[in-house]
Amino acid sequence: AQKVTQAQTEISVVEKEDVTLDCVYETRDTTYYLFWYKQPPSGELVFLIRRNSFDEQNEISGRYSWNFQKSTSSFNFTITASQVVDSAVYFCALSEAGGSSNTGKLIFGQGTTLQVKP
Amino acid sequence: DTAVSQTPKYLVTQMGNDKSIKCEQNLGHDTMYWYKQDSKKFLKIMFSYNNKELIINETVPNRFSPKSPDKAHLNLHINSLELGDSAVYFCASSPGTSGGEYQETQYFGPGTRLLVL
Repeated sequence: AQKVTQAQTEISVVEKEDVTLDCVYETRDTTYYLFWYKQPPSGELVFLIRRNSFDEQNEISGRYSWNFQKSTSSFNFTITASQVVDSAVYFCALSEAGGSSNTGKLIFGQGTTLQVKP
Repeated sequence: DTAVSQTPKYLVTQMGNDKSIKCEQNLGHDTMYWYKQDSKKFLKIMFSYNNKELIINETVPNRFSPKSPDKAHLNLHINSLELGDSAVYFCASSPGTSGGEYQETQYFGPGTRLLVL
């Protein structure tokens, strides 16, 4: 069965600190997709990144970076020089893939609440 | 310019009532979803439709009935509301089979906060 684990329930940092949010997943599929979503206090879910199982290149987008390692089934998210506006709940998610069996269902982790203090 | 919209944003109602939540996407996507977020922030898929056809029905009580009049709309009707139905309901859409490499990426609506008293 597919599963996503975000072991860190809450993280608190001071502005400008770097912070890494951990995500570990389980799947028997050879083709799958991994995602990160941000849920700010206003409540909406904002798409941040999508990664497919064949692309292990790390990705950087401004202060955000993602480290995908199939060997450890992890897809970690790092925020560099954190800001107060980064305060949110961050969700890691997994979806199966592949032809007609692709239902697109997202399996979410429990979420990590990040608080960035000024 | 809203991509995925939901109405209403807030819904407060009494136990036993019937209510509907509407969802519309203007992204031209083929696939739409309903997710439920409980009080502990846990998100779980409820239903998925692809081009008006039901694809996923995840062990949801039959008091919940989705309806897709066209591929841009997916509504959720809930009969005989119970206290445990209180949650945030998110609609989402993804390109689906027409989306090429990014067919799986789901974009979410703002959520509907349902409170059953």
